[in-house]
Amino acid sequence: RKEVEQDPGPFNVPEGATVAFNCTYSNSASQSFFWYRQDCRKEPKLLMSVYSSGNEDGRFTAQLNRASQYISLLIRDSKLSDSATYLCVVKDAGNMLTFGGGTRLMVKP
Amino acid sequence: GAGVSQSPSNKVTEKGKDVELRCDPISGHTALYWYRQSLGQGLEFLIYFQGNSAPDKSGLPSDRFSAERTGGSVSTLTIQRTQQEDSAVYLCASSLFRTDTQYFGPGTRLTVL
Repeated sequence: RKEVEQDPGPFNVPEGATVAFNCTYSNSASQSFFWYRQDCRKEPKLLMSVYSSGNEDGRFTAQLNRASQYISLLIRDSKLSDSATYLCVVKDAGNMLTFGGGTRLMVKP
Repeated sequence: GAGVSQSPSNKVTEKGKDVELRCDPISGHTALYWYRQSLGQGLEFLIYFQGNSAPDKSGLPSDRFSAERTGGSVSTLTIQRTQQEDSAVYLCASSLFRTDTQYFGPGTRLTVL
């Protein structure tokens, strides 16, 4: 079983749609959680951190469920520019990052 | 300011040859990381440096892979006797301290023929 699992997609959605991605992690001792965004043939970039209380940044909302070892990312009012691969990332007690395989999002006009 | 830079951006080599990949971290960043991303796959951790020392080499796939960092700055990842399965994008990241956000370079796309 992979340490961090994501549905690879692709998720094909129309502009303006709301889309949600899920991620599960296996290490219950994981300390911190993040979503990174990776555009085609580009490097990953930090999108947002994920806090236990949930956090929102504009159209993006991230939530963490420690009991279920589950992380989610919600994107409202999707834009064409949101098309990318979204990587779920977990930091362990040793401060090492483990990346999920990514979920590909394609927003269509 | 300048981000993480990597060179070359693309490298095509023949099976059995050695290659050297270079990473220039953000100035002042003490931690440096190497990852590998194969086509359609997630990022695979290779090695991490704190200053010039590498406390965690657990991700290096074989003894053909080695890395060094000098002067607490530039790092090189060397792959000896390259194999076709080494073909991937090799990404370098740096962070101010061990626990901080990692910033990635653009990667080196390695193709082994």
